[in-house]
Amino acid sequence: DQQVKQNSPSLSVQEGRISILNCDYTNSMFDYFLWYKKYPAEGPTFLISISSIKDKNEDGRFTVFLNKSAKHLSLHIVPSQPGDSAVYFCAASGGFGNEKLTFGTGTRLTIIP
Amino acid sequence: EPEVTQTPSHQVTQMGQEVILRCVPISNHLYFYWYRQILGQKVEFLVSFYNNEISEKSEIFDDQFSVERPDGSNFTLKIRSTKLEDSAMYFCASIARLALTGELFFGEGSRLTVL
Repeated sequence: DQQVKQNSPSLSVQEGRISILNCDYTNSMFDYFLWYKKYPAEGPTFLISISSIKDKNEDGRFTVFLNKSAKHLSLHIVPSQPGDSAVYFCAASGGFGNEKLTFGTGTRLTIIP
Repeated sequence: EPEVTQTPSHQVTQMGQEVILRCVPISNHLYFYWYRQILGQKVEFLVSFYNNEISEKSEIFDDQFSVERPDGSNFTLKIRSTKLEDSAMYFCASIARLALTGELFFGEGSRLTVL
């Protein structure tokens, strides 16, 4: 039962351009959505999150957009930098009191210099 | 910056052996988690732990698994009789109870290889 899906296993983007990573979910009870970045042999590192009551959250080069009606969120990275090359996981939680995260399968982002 | 630490970083064991993975969560955090990632697959929830008891566990977390907080700092995951399919990266995570964003802080993981 894939409640959180990332349909693109990989993405290559030229340095300086915009990277757009997509995520879809099925469970309407999810309250928070998060993006994590993961390098090989390291734990996931939190990037940015968004509450279900918002449709956009921005933090520096990273912006997350949430479309609740479509049950879709996306992460925009602009401009993309070589250090952004990693696997990006979309995750969702039930919010306060139910912080268990359900992860997507990940998208490997490669930034081409 | 406070961080979640895990030991060992890598453990190799024979099938059927017991394994204990250790974690030291961030000191003021109250909720603790174990996740695992089989090579090439997604990160999967195993168990959450609060107030010295399991608050939720997944189907993966069967009778072979147990968790414990033996003292005020360590949080352990025990696998009683390891199987080949237990080979994975195991991640410990913690969260401050009053954090509303759902942001979990993960350790760097313990790689378990079962032969």
